[in-house]
This record gives sequence, C-alpha cells and structure tokens, in this order.
Amino acid sequence: GIQVEQSPPDLILQEGANSTLRCNFSDSVNNLQWFHQNPWGQLINLFYIPSGTKQNGRLSATTVATERYSLLYISSSQTTDSGVYFCAVSRNTDKLIFGTGTRLQVFP
Amino acid sequence: GAVVSQHPSWVICKSGTSVKIECRSLDFQATTMFWYRQFPKQSLMLMATSNEGSKATYEQGVEKDKFLINHASLTLSTLTVTSAHPEDSSFYICSARVGTSGISGELFFGEGSRLTVL
Repeated sequence: GIQVEQSPPDLILQEGANSTLRCNFSDSVNNLQWFHQNPWGQLINLFYIPSGTKQNGRLSATTVATERYSLLYISSSQTTDSGVYFCAVSRNTDKLIFGTGTRLQVFP
Repeated sequence: GAVVSQHPSWVICKSGTSVKIECRSLDFQATTMFWYRQFPKQSLMLMATSNEGSKATYEQGVEKDKFLINHASLTLSTLTVTSAHPEDSSFYICSARVGTSGISGELFFGEGSRLTVL
C-alpha cells in the first residue's frame, strides 16, 4: 500500500514564526487532504489539494503530484495553531491513508 | 463544509459489555462511510468501510465479529464494539464523502468518540 511520511515529527515555535510541514507519499495519488487535529481530537479540514496550490488566510498548501510530495505553510503562527497536522492520501478509492503526523506546539 | 456528527463523544464501560457509536451525516447523504481508530500519540488507522444497504468491508487484521458495522440509511452508520476489553480503549472516528459520483473527493470527519474500557 501507499506509504505516507511527514516531517518534521515535532515542531516547537514561538508565536509569530513561520513554518513548513512536508508530506511525502510513495505512489501517485488522486486525493490529498491536510487536517489539523485539535487537542479534543477533532479533525479540521484544512485543504483538499490533490495538485496545485491553495491559500486560506495564514495557511497555504502546495502539492507536486509528479514528485509525490505536499507542503503546508503556516505563517505568523498563533497558539491556537497548536495540535497535530496530518496529511492523508488515496489512490483510486475513497480510503484515506494517513501520514505519521507533525505535532506542533506554539508558545506565546 | 459538510457536517458529520458522532455520538457519544466519550463512553466508559466495563469489560465484557458492548458499546454502540453512531455516525451521522447531517446535511448530506453518504452511501459510504469510513471508521478509523486512533491510539494515543499515533496516526489514524482505517478499520472498515461502511456501505449503505450492504455488508461492511474490513481492513486486514480487524475482527469483523468484534466490530459490528451497520449502515441502514444514507445518513447513519453505527459501530458496535462487542464484548469490549481494555485493549479496545481508543479514539474512534468516522468519516464520509459528499457526493456519490466518481471515486475520490473530500472526506469530512466526525468529532470522534473516546472509548475507555475498565
């Protein structure tokens, strides 16, 4: 099956800093999503981005499908950005395979 | 985005009892829903695919007799953990996709249900 690796596994930032999270996947995909899991466990949809670039406020994402990776950019980080960020992919199916996650802590 | 709701949010039960978790799509119909499990500090692992009006399909290593899935309507899927044991304690999350055309699209997730078996 498809392997999904995220880096870094842990990230500690001071409020206001920028960061880049990476997601590598081992095979071509036709679905890629980024999620933020808050401290209560809720998965918040950030981007549905099988290819190309999207922006939403302080967050943006880029997927280069031909090179099998996606990047999530967080600018001017806030304490409320803390949590775990997952990317998840699928190929020819609705079954999303989740990556290993990046745990982000933002301190004031 | 689409809304998926789970109930209960958390449940504590004694070993040997059965627990039912509901997953509802509130503002759309879902012919297919998915059940995931997440252990502390780990990623989400797909357990099974719930298909409206037919049997669920289970991922390798998931006991279908232990985790009973019923998808009786286009807006409701249920997961029943039968004869629960402490090792079944976990965070269970369901998801569904808006629309039925094609084979890919954005998935939305419920709030999750935290099960603790004493």
